[in-house]
Amino acid sequence: QVQLQESGPRLVKPSETLSLTCTVSGGSVSSGSYYWSWIRQPPGKGLEWIGHIYYSGSTNYNPSLKSRVTMSVDTSKNQFSLRLTSVTAVDTAVYYCARVSASGLNLFDFWGQGTLLTVSS
Amino acid sequence: SSELTQDPAVSVALGQTVRITCLGDSLRSFYTSWYQQKPGQAPVLVIYGENNRPSGIPDRFSGSSSGDTASLTITGAQAEDEADYYCCSRDSSGDVIFGGGTKLTVL
Repeated sequence: QVQLQESGPRLVKPSETLSLTCTVSGGSVSSGSYYWSWIRQPPGKGLEWIGHIYYSGSTNYNPSLKSRVTMSVDTSKNQFSLRLTSVTAVDTAVYYCARVSASGLNLFDFWGQGTLLTVSS
Repeated sequence: SSELTQDPAVSVALGQTVRITCLGDSLRSFYTSWYQQKPGQAPVLVIYGENNRPSGIPDRFSGSSSGDTASLTITGAQAEDEADYYCCSRDSSGDVIFGGGTKLTVL
C-alpha cells in the first residue's frame, strides 16, 4: 500500500518561502507510471491543484501559481518537494501531496493526510 | 483555462438514489474523476475513467458522462456517504482542474 506523508513548517511569515516535502513509502517516485502532485485546500474551501512532477524532473504547474512555484524530486530519498515563494495569507491552506496516474493526470489515487500551513506574522 | 461547476449542496434520503453533477466544456474531451472528502480527512478517489471504482469503493458508486456533464450516482445512499464530493478533470491546456465541490447530506 502506497503511503505519502507531508512534512515541513506549519507556520510561515508573509513574504517568506513555503517549503514542504512529501515522503513516499510502499512505492517509488521513480516509477514511470505516475506523477507526483501537490494540491491545497484553504480552510472551508475547495481543492486547488498546484502542480505535479515526474521522476525525470519534468513539471507542470497551475498557471495561477506558476510564477511562485518550484517542485523537485529526490529519487534517492523517495521524496518530492514544493517551494512557494512570497507567501501571503491567501496561501494559508491544508497542503496535500498525492500520487497521480501518468495515463490520466487527474487520477489521484493515493493522498497524504495533509498538513495545515498558516501564513501569519 | 476552463471551469467545472457543481451544485454547492445536495440532499438525499437514506437508501435513496442521488446524482451529483459536474458541468464543464472540458468534460467533452477528458474523463472525470470523483473524490469523496469527509471532515478533517484527505480526499478519497471513488470513480475514475469511464466508470471505474478503486478497490474498496462500494458498487453503489457509479459514474457517467454525456457531453459537457459528468455525474456521480450513489444508488442506495448510506449515512457514511455524507461528505463533500469533488469532480476533477483537465482544462483545454491540459492542466488539472477541480469543481467547487458538492456537500451531500443524507437525511
